Amino acid sequence: DVKVTQSSRYLVKRTGEKVFLECVQDMDHENMFWYRQDPGLGLRLIYFSYDVKMKEKGDIPEGYSVSREKKERFSLILESASTNQTSMYLCASSYSGSVYEQYFGPGTRLTVT
Amino acid sequence: LAKTTQPISMDSYEGQEVNITCSHNNIATNDYITWYQQFPSQGPRFIIQGYKTKVTNEVASLFIPADRKSSTLSLPRVSLSDTAVYYCLVGDVVTGGGNKLTFGTGTQLKVEL
Repeated sequence: DVKVTQSSRYLVKRTGEKVFLECVQDMDHENMFWYRQDPGLGLRLIYFSYDVKMKEKGDIPEGYSVSREKKERFSLILESASTNQTSMYLCASSYSGSVYEQYFGPGTRLTVT
Repeated sequence: LAKTTQPISMDSYEGQEVNITCSHNNIATNDYITWYQQFPSQGPRFIIQGYKTKVTNEVASLFIPADRKSSTLSLPRVSLSDTAVYYCLVGDVVTGGGNKLTFGTGTQLKVEL
């Protein structure tokens, strides 16, 4: 079974803090993704990585950065957290040949106060 | 962007077959049709994917007519545990050119006794 784990289920941070969200997958997948999910807006892609040290912006990259130093680990960084970044953050991974079949982690509910 | 339209919600009873239809009038030649399921407080889970005609796996069937402008996810004999949000995605890429795989707001399926 593919397993995608995220460092925290719930996180509370203050405005202006630097926030790190970690994601680890154990299936040697080349692709990794970060989404945020908000009521009424569905899932929106923040960043996508198709290889170590490679990344591409998704639909809403503003205010975020990512890091992929190892194949199994993909980090999302909020440089200076703001209240409008309060959301559910979901990490996913997939094989290079298929962006359609993504395996998701359980999500991190981030609250910025 | 290949826009998809699916019902906001559906209700059913245990043991019934449920069909959720998604319309995607501007589907492109390279686009695949993918369905995901999401339970509360969990990440989405891949259910099925198809290009044309019919695809069946142990969970569901996917029917795609010849013009590919719509698709129907069929869940046989649903149970209470099938209560979830179902997303229809159409596209072939995550970033860059081509139609992007995009999660909409999905269909909330509620199964009752």
